[in-house]
Amino acid sequence: AQKITQTQPGMFVQEKEAVTLDCTYDTSDQSYGLFWYKQPSSGEMIFLIYQGSYDEQNATEGRYSLNFQKARKSANLVISASQLGDSAMYFCAMREPYTGNQFYFGTGTSLTVIP
Amino acid sequence: EAGVAQSPRYKIIEKRQSVAFWCNPISGHATLYWYQQILGQGPKLLIQFQNNGVVDDSQLPKDRFSAERLKGVDSTLKIQPAKLEDSAVYLCASRALGEVAAGELFFGEGSRLTVL
Repeated sequence: AQKITQTQPGMFVQEKEAVTLDCTYDTSDQSYGLFWYKQPSSGEMIFLIYQGSYDEQNATEGRYSLNFQKARKSANLVISASQLGDSAMYFCAMREPYTGNQFYFGTGTSLTVIP
Repeated sequence: EAGVAQSPRYKIIEKRQSVAFWCNPISGHATLYWYQQILGQGPKLLIQFQNNGVVDDSQLPKDRFSAERLKGVDSTLKIQPAKLEDSAVYLCASRALGEVAAGELFFGEGSRLTVL
C-alpha cells in the first residue's frame, strides 16, 4: 500500500485565491510527522510546513496551513492568497520514527497560478 | 549555516559507463539520505545512513549502485554500469539526529544524470 497518496496530478488557481492540495497517508504508528515540500522548476526541495501526529492545532507558516484530520489520515496543504511564485510541484511526505526515521514521499501535485 | 552540497550538478554519460555523485551534508547532521527522482515522480529512497552505518538500503539496486559514508560526514553514490532508466535527479538530504523541532530533511540542489 502507498504510504502517501496525492490524487491531484495538476491544479490551477487564480492569483490571490486560496488553493487546497490533498494528501492522505497510511501508517499504523501513533507517532509520525507530516511534511510538505515545494519543488520549483529549478529542482531544489524547499521545506514548507510540518505537523506532528500529536499536535492538536493545525500547523501554520505564513500563507501555508496544514489541515490535519487524524481520523481521516489526511494532511491537506492550504495556500492562501496565491502568488505567481507559488507555481511549482508540491510533495507531501511522512516520517516514521519507528522505521528509522524513513521519509515517504507522494507523487506530487503540480500547481499553476494563473495571473 | 551552509546547506547540503552536491556535485556535479549535471552529468551526461553513455550507457554502461560509470558515474559518481558526492554529497556533503549540513555540519552536525548525523543522518544522510540519497533519493532518486525520476521526472514527474516523487523522490524514492535509495539509501539512508546514520553516521557511517546503513539504516536502510532495501531499494538500492545493489548490482549497479553503491554508496558509502566512510567517516560519517560526506557521502558518495556510484552507479556502475549505468542504464538508460537511471536517468534521474539524485537528491541528497540530511537531518539532525533526534527529535529536533520538525526534524525536516534538508536537501541539496540535486545531481541531474542523463544516460544516453
